[in-house]
Amino acid sequence: KQEVTQIPAALSVPEGENLVLNCSFTDSAIYNLQWFRQDPGKGLTSLLLIQSSQREQTSGRLNASLDKSSGRSTLYIAASQPGDSATYLCAVRRSARQLTFGSGTQLTVLP
Amino acid sequence: GAVVSQHPSRVICKSGTSVKIECRSLDFQATTMFWYRQFPKQSLMLMATSNEGSKATYEQGVEKDKFLINHASLTLSTLTVTSAHPEDSSFYICSATDRANTGELFFGEGSRLTVL
Repeated sequence: KQEVTQIPAALSVPEGENLVLNCSFTDSAIYNLQWFRQDPGKGLTSLLLIQSSQREQTSGRLNASLDKSSGRSTLYIAASQPGDSATYLCAVRRSARQLTFGSGTQLTVLP
Repeated sequence: GAVVSQHPSRVICKSGTSVKIECRSLDFQATTMFWYRQFPKQSLMLMATSNEGSKATYEQGVEKDKFLINHASLTLSTLTVTSAHPEDSSFYICSATDRANTGELFFGEGSRLTVL
């Protein structure tokens, strides 16, 4: 059974700092990995999707990497802003139904 | 990215009544839609997977007679919570994947259900 762990559970940083969120998974036989952000009381916004054959994806200030062999993914946020404050979730997909979410990292960027 | 819309965003109902939540893909055809439940400060729990024109596949422990799912078209899936009880109060979120099945999931804004 796939298990997805996100560390840290919560993170507070001053504005402008670069930061890294971690996601680890136990089963490397994945289809893809997706990073989401969730604001309080809202749905999930897709940030980056990494297919199993890819090693990284970039979008603006965000960069996500994938190392299947070690079962790890990182989400790098450059020059953080207060608007980046949210819960960040990674989800590992093995098949259409087998999508496993991590418990999330709650990020607070202080102005 | 593709847009998935959920309605209503909030609903309050009395115990014993039924509530329907709609999930629509606005600019793509969704062959598969997923329904999740999320408890406070917890991650998402998959309830069921629905494919257009066929019966939904429920995850273990999810009552299919309690949570009725219909996926009648490529752009609409509905979740009906029947005979709702206070313990059904939760945040329900749907997601969809497109017909091209790139594998990317798009999520709705979620529906907050409160059963009095």
